[in-house]
Amino acid sequence: SQTIHQWPATLVQPVGSPLSLECTVEGTSNPNLYWYRQAAGRGLQLLFYSVGIGQISSEVPQNLSASRPQDRQFILSSKKLLLSDSGFYLCAWNKGTVSYEQYFGPGTRLTVT
Amino acid sequence: DQQVKQNSPSLSVQEGRISILNCDYTNSMFDYFLWYKKYPAEGPTFLISISSIKDKNEDGRFTVFLNKSAKHLSLHIVPSQPGDSAVYFCAASHFGNEKLTFGTGTRLTIIP
Repeated sequence: SQTIHQWPATLVQPVGSPLSLECTVEGTSNPNLYWYRQAAGRGLQLLFYSVGIGQISSEVPQNLSASRPQDRQFILSSKKLLLSDSGFYLCAWNKGTVSYEQYFGPGTRLTVT
Repeated sequence: DQQVKQNSPSLSVQEGRISILNCDYTNSMFDYFLWYKKYPAEGPTFLISISSIKDKNEDGRFTVFLNKSAKHLSLHIVPSQPGDSAVYFCAASHFGNEKLTFGTGTRLTIIP
């Protein structure tokens, strides 16, 4: 069966510091990978998605970037965090050629102070 | 432009009764619809989906109804249980699109 991992689970970072969140998927190959953010009291905002290694699509111009160095690894980064980057970050995967359903990781709670 | 709308931010239902969560969409290209359930500080979990070739899909206590002419879908939970208290997200996509478009969610509270 497939499993998706995210770490860290929680993170408190000062404004202006860098960020690196990691997501890995087990039990499947060549998945589509997604980064979402849920701000307090808001819905799910798609930030980036990737259909293959090195292929990144950005949905929202912002202070963040994403990379996919390996087939089942997706990284969300920032060089300098802003207060507005606080939120709950979710990674998800699906087998894009097979189904629409996306499966989410446990999330990372980021607080920028 | 909010293409998927959940106009009720919250809903309270007595335990054992029916919960009905609603979702409207504007993009006529959408042909596949999904419902997710989310507990606080956890990732959403997939509940049930429906293709536009159907108007109803049932899975245990959960039933999704699709009205294409009205661009409206609803999730029925019968009977409602305390563990159903969560935020429910509606999502939509169409053939050839790798992305899901999510609504803003409805917080369901089941009252014991």
